[in-house]
Amino acid sequence: SAVISQKPSRDICQRGTSLTIQCQVDSQVTMMFWYRQQPGQSLTLIATANQGSEATYESGFVIDKFPISRPNLTFSTLTVSNMSPEDSSIYLCSVPQTGSNYGYTFGSGTRLTVV
Amino acid sequence: AQKVTQAQTEISVVEKEDVTLDCVYETRDTTYYLFWYKQPPSGELVFLIRRNSFDEQNEISGRYSWNFQKSTSSFNFTITASQVVDSAVYFCALSGVSGGGADGLTFGKGTHLIIQP
Repeated sequence: SAVISQKPSRDICQRGTSLTIQCQVDSQVTMMFWYRQQPGQSLTLIATANQGSEATYESGFVIDKFPISRPNLTFSTLTVSNMSPEDSSIYLCSVPQTGSNYGYTFGSGTRLTVV
Repeated sequence: AQKVTQAQTEISVVEKEDVTLDCVYETRDTTYYLFWYKQPPSGELVFLIRRNSFDEQNEISGRYSWNFQKSTSSFNFTITASQVVDSAVYFCALSGVSGGGADGLTFGKGTHLIIQP
């Protein structure tokens, strides 16, 4: 299955600033997904990133707040813009595994604290 | 819209007991996938199983078993002879299938399973 390297693993940021999270996959994948996990909560899909097209955002998430880049089939970034304390969460990227009984592989996550 | 309900917020059992985690889903898709993930205290997400909507066979993997019932829109997960290492948050999730391939996952709120020694 694919291996995902996600950076940074954690960060503490000032409100009003932006943080860019990187996700590198060791194989080419068509789709990459970005999720948010708020403290003690479940995971919520932010957007789907396809290479060569605009990301597709879920309800409640907008491009101005969470711009995504997908320059090639192995890499994507998610930026959390103009941060507030409410953005403190774990952000995870994910890719579909290939195979007859595939799941989705997740990165180890970026734990973001906004102060 | 898709929805996954895990009504059990927290379950606590004594080691070696059997425990069942419930999952009920809603979807209008005729083809979809159901998943279970484990999130131990370390935080990583561990894939346990995927089940296709057209395959209602139950599955057993060691101490783990899954019961998929389309008639009740349920996909329950049973751990037999639980162990302390099974302590984690377990998420049930659902995805559709679009023309381009797999969709993103809709997660339930998770069930925090505590196995006491």
